[in-house]
Amino acid sequence: EVQLVESGGGSVQPGGSLRLSCAASGFTFSPYWMHWVRQAPGKGLVWVSRIEGDGSSTSYADSVKGRFTISRDNAENTLYLEMNSLRAEDTAVYYCTRDPSARSGYFDSWGQGTLVTVSS
Amino acid sequence: DIQMTQSPSSLSASLGDRVTITCRASQSISNYLNWYQQKPGKAPKLLIYAASSLQSGVPSRFSGSGSGTDFTLTISSLQPEDFATYYCQQSYSSPRYSFGQGTKLEIK
Repeated sequence: EVQLVESGGGSVQPGGSLRLSCAASGFTFSPYWMHWVRQAPGKGLVWVSRIEGDGSSTSYADSVKGRFTISRDNAENTLYLEMNSLRAEDTAVYYCTRDPSARSGYFDSWGQGTLVTVSS
Repeated sequence: DIQMTQSPSSLSASLGDRVTITCRASQSISNYLNWYQQKPGKAPKLLIYAASSLQSGVPSRFSGSGSGTDFTLTISSLQPEDFATYYCQQSYSSPRYSFGQGTKLEIK
């Protein structure tokens, strides 16, 4: 069974940093492109970032470009999202998701999400 | 960027009803359209990919259709577990994927 388990969320002041992790199990992690998708409280879904299977290529939404960094450790089956210069508008539940085939662009497995709250 | 607009934003229906939710893209996206179901406090779940392909394990009462700019998600006979929020998502403009604003399906 595919499992994605996020961790690392919490409360942080504006301008602060957090590192989210997503532990993957139940499938061979390395070939799969992985994404982060977020959802602000009471709002819709927003794509945040993507990383290819070998980690060689990454992409970001304009709203987080230059502040967030996606990475992965295929030996540890773990996806990361390093978030710096956090803003109030980054407050959201962050979901780790799997892309079922390279460039398919949809998300067939989701973690349970981890809440990030940016507030003074 | 491609804008995705769902209608209606909310919908009340009864058990056994046939329900249709519409999603419109701001430009043609071929069949790069996916549908998700989200229940309160839970992660979204993939229902339909590539406009009309049913994800493994999803009941056959769910179906999708459309191409170009106009798409529909149909639930043929509403079951109690179907009351949720539904989102469409375009995967045409890689990696600038975008979602619709959601349609909340409630019990009448």
